[in-house]
Amino acid sequence: GQSLEQPSEVTAVEGAIVQMNCTYQTSGFYGLSWYQQHDGGAPTFLSYNALDGLEETGRFSSFLSRSDSYGYLLLQELQMKDSASYFCAVTISSGSARQLTFGSGTQLTVLP
Amino acid sequence: DGGITQSPKYLFRKEGQNVTLSCEQNLNHDAMYWYRQDPGQGLRLIYYSQIVNDFQKGDIAEGYSVSREKKESFPLTVTSAQKNPTAFYLCASRLRDNEQFFGPGTRLTVL
Repeated sequence: GQSLEQPSEVTAVEGAIVQMNCTYQTSGFYGLSWYQQHDGGAPTFLSYNALDGLEETGRFSSFLSRSDSYGYLLLQELQMKDSASYFCAVTISSGSARQLTFGSGTQLTVLP
Repeated sequence: DGGITQSPKYLFRKEGQNVTLSCEQNLNHDAMYWYRQDPGQGLRLIYYSQIVNDFQKGDIAEGYSVSREKKESFPLTVTSAQKNPTAFYLCASRLRDNEQFFGPGTRLTVL
C-alpha cells in the first residue's frame, strides 16, 4: 500500500518563507504533486515533480528526492491568502492508469 | 468555460436511503475520479474510470457504486451499505498525467 506523512500544522508570519515536508512509502511511484485547498473549497494543483530536484513556479517551489522518498513545498513572501491546507500526493502507475494517493495535509496559518 | 460541475452543493438524506451525486465535465477528459474527504483529512479514492463503460475500485469502494455511460458524466451512488456516508465528496478529471482538476464538491449529511 501507500502511505504519506505530513506535519499537521504550520504557522508563519506574512512575508516569511515556509517549508512543508512530505515523506512517502509507495510502490509504482510516478511523481509527487502538491495541492492547495482553502476551507470548504476544492483542491487546486500547485506543482509536480517526477525527477529529483527543485521546480519553481513564482512564489512556490517544490523539491523531490526519490532516493529519500521525500519532498517539500516552499512558499516565499507569504501572504494572508496563502492560509490553507496543503496536500502532497503521490502518483502511482498501474499500466495506463494513474492514481493519486493523498497525505492528510498540512494546515498553514499565516499571521499578520 | 470548461469545467466540472457537481450538484447539489449540499445534500441531506435520511439513514438507509441511497443517494446519487452528480458529476459532469465538458473538458473532454477520459479519466475521472471520485474522492471522499473527512474533516481534517486528506482525500481518499473511491472509484475511478479511465474510459467510458469501464471503472475500477479505489481504496474505499465498499458501500458505493458508479457508472460511466457517457464520457461527460460519472455519477456516484452512496448506498445504504456505506456505514458512515457523511463527508465531502469530490469529483475530478485528469488534465495531464500529473494533474487532476477538481469539481467544487458535494457535502453530504446523513441524518
